[in-house]
Amino acid sequence: ETGVTQSPTHLIKTRGQQVTLRCSSQSGHNTVSWYQQALGQGPQFIFQYYREEENGRGNFPPRFSGLQFPNYSSELNVNALELDDSALYLCASSLRKNQETQYFGPGTRLLVL
Amino acid sequence: EDQVTQSPEALRLQEGESSSLNCSYTVSGLRGLFWYRQDPGKGPEFLFTLYSAGEEKEKERLKATLTKKESFLHITAPKPEDSATYLCAVTPNSGYALNFGKGTSLLVTP
Repeated sequence: ETGVTQSPTHLIKTRGQQVTLRCSSQSGHNTVSWYQQALGQGPQFIFQYYREEENGRGNFPPRFSGLQFPNYSSELNVNALELDDSALYLCASSLRKNQETQYFGPGTRLLVL
Repeated sequence: EDQVTQSPEALRLQEGESSSLNCSYTVSGLRGLFWYRQDPGKGPEFLFTLYSAGEEKEKERLKATLTKKESFLHITAPKPEDSATYLCAVTPNSGYALNFGKGTSLLVTP
């Protein structure tokens, strides 16, 4: 059974650019959530996708957007990057929409200069 | 507003020295409380889910317990490989997002 995978592992961008991060969910999982983790902090919920629809959103501006594909993989897009967007971006998948246990991928480390 | 507070922020133990990590929470109806382990630069690794007060779960040297206001992660006779940040998170009845605390950074020395 393949776990959650994310790409790329590291990324460096400059302020104002746009970035796309990718996530493949664990086999059989149809729900994907994205989290942002700043250094020394706990992960913060960005949004969740269930069967290609956004199922909930945290306190993040509209320049953070996402997609989920028919194979349940997902993308996180961030426009107009700011210095404070530098963080570890984590993707988590769960078996069903109402399955609370979420399994995390290794994350993508984004640095905005 | 849902809140999760973990203490202590950092803990240093000698190998074999047992201790407990605390997670205090306020949530409008608890759906579940979760413990994760996170190694530096890696994603969180799932440890336990607890659903109701009085529930306990064990895995190797770790034991998690839950009351109506807090959870404890007990570490018995820790080894250096237990060194990591331990994260606590809750989900409310009204949603599925994990609301995390800041974590406890544990260092176990030989």
